[in-house]
Order: sequence, then structure tokens, then C-alpha cells
Amino acid sequence: DGGITQSPKYLFRKEGQNVTLSCEQNLNHDAMYWYRQDPGQGLRLIYYSQIVNDFQKGDIAEGYSVSREKKESFPLTVTSAQKNPTAFYLCASNWRPGELFFGEGSRLTVL
Amino acid sequence: QQPVQSPQAVILREGEDAVINCSSSKALYSVHWYRQKHGEAPVFLMILLKGGEQKGHEKISASFNEKKQQSSLYLTASQLSYSGTYFCGTEMGSGGGADGLTFGKGTHLIIQP
Repeated sequence: DGGITQSPKYLFRKEGQNVTLSCEQNLNHDAMYWYRQDPGQGLRLIYYSQIVNDFQKGDIAEGYSVSREKKESFPLTVTSAQKNPTAFYLCASNWRPGELFFGEGSRLTVL
Repeated sequence: QQPVQSPQAVILREGEDAVINCSSSKALYSVHWYRQKHGEAPVFLMILLKGGEQKGHEKISASFNEKKQQSSLYLTASQLSYSGTYFCGTEMGSGGGADGLTFGKGTHLIIQP
């Protein structure tokens, strides 16, 4: 079955540590996105990529980094520079234009 | 710029109707609607493109008023399964979906038996 796989589902991190969230899709979509969700804030765009080896900053890119070395994969690194990283992270992909397909999400908690 | 959704929350009895609004201060190319259950990923409901076409999905339909840069989601004869948080996602400019969607803060819908 086609879809988007995010891992891990839950992640705990100590302050000052970098963590990488995985996002893999087998939908053959060109575009991939990372959103952050906080209670009452909706979904906010972190980074997006339209093609391999290219990506753009979204509205809240500070403290995050991404790579797009393969069409299927778009990992997100939450760096120690991110001041408040505890959140629910959602990866999505689509054919442009069209509906976004979301992964199940990764919940990051900083201890 | 983040679109504004209203109301923030709605509580209905099963069988009642609801309208959720989404408005933007910028010219829109498209509006998407998604529903999210607690702890799950958002699920696509429908997309409306510039042109004001109304779309429908069973008892859920939506409209897009290009002049007012406003979209409304209509839920008729609500069912318990309609409970969740509804988000509108907007795309500005010439379209193409290349830059991702900007989402509103969501409308919490609770359906009581």
C-alpha cells in the first residue's frame, strides 16, 4: 500500500541534543513538506522540497535542517538551536497541485 | 499569512448542521479542507480552486468566494464520526501547489448523541 511512513512515533530528547525525524514515501510524489503542530496553533510549515537536492524554508525554519537526497526521503533534523522543540511533527507529500497526504506524525518531547 | 477560521469551536447534537468559515487577507488560488482526529494525521476532505465552484463530499460540502477570499465548509445532518478538528489550508498566488499550504488554527467540532 502506498503511503508516508514517519519514524519514530515518539521521541524524547535531552536539551542540547540534535534529533532526526525520518519521513519516507512510496507515492512517487515530487513535493514533500514538514509541518509542526502545537495545541491551538494549527499546522505551521517548516521546510518543503519540490525536487531532489532542492528545498526551501517555510515559515518557521529556524533551528531545523533538512535534506532531500532521494525522491522518497525527506528527513528533518531538530537542532539544539531550536528553542522550543516539543511538538507534533507531520510530514506530507503531494503531486502539485493536489491534496496533501500526511504521515502519522512524530511526537517529540524535550526533557 | 495564516487564514482566520471561525468559529474556534462548535458543539452540536447529532443531526444538526454546522458551517465553518475560513478567510484570508490575501488573494487565494485554492483552499483545502482537512479533518483531524485527536493524535492522528489530518485527512483530506476537499479542494476548491479559484472560480467559486462548490464541491461536495456526501453530506459535507464547501464553497469558495473569490471576491471575499473566503471559503465555507458545510456539514449537514452531522454524524458522530464528524467530530474532530477542521483545518483550512490556503494557497496563494498563481497556484501549482509548490510552496505548501498555510493552515488556519482549526475549528474544534464536537458532536453529541
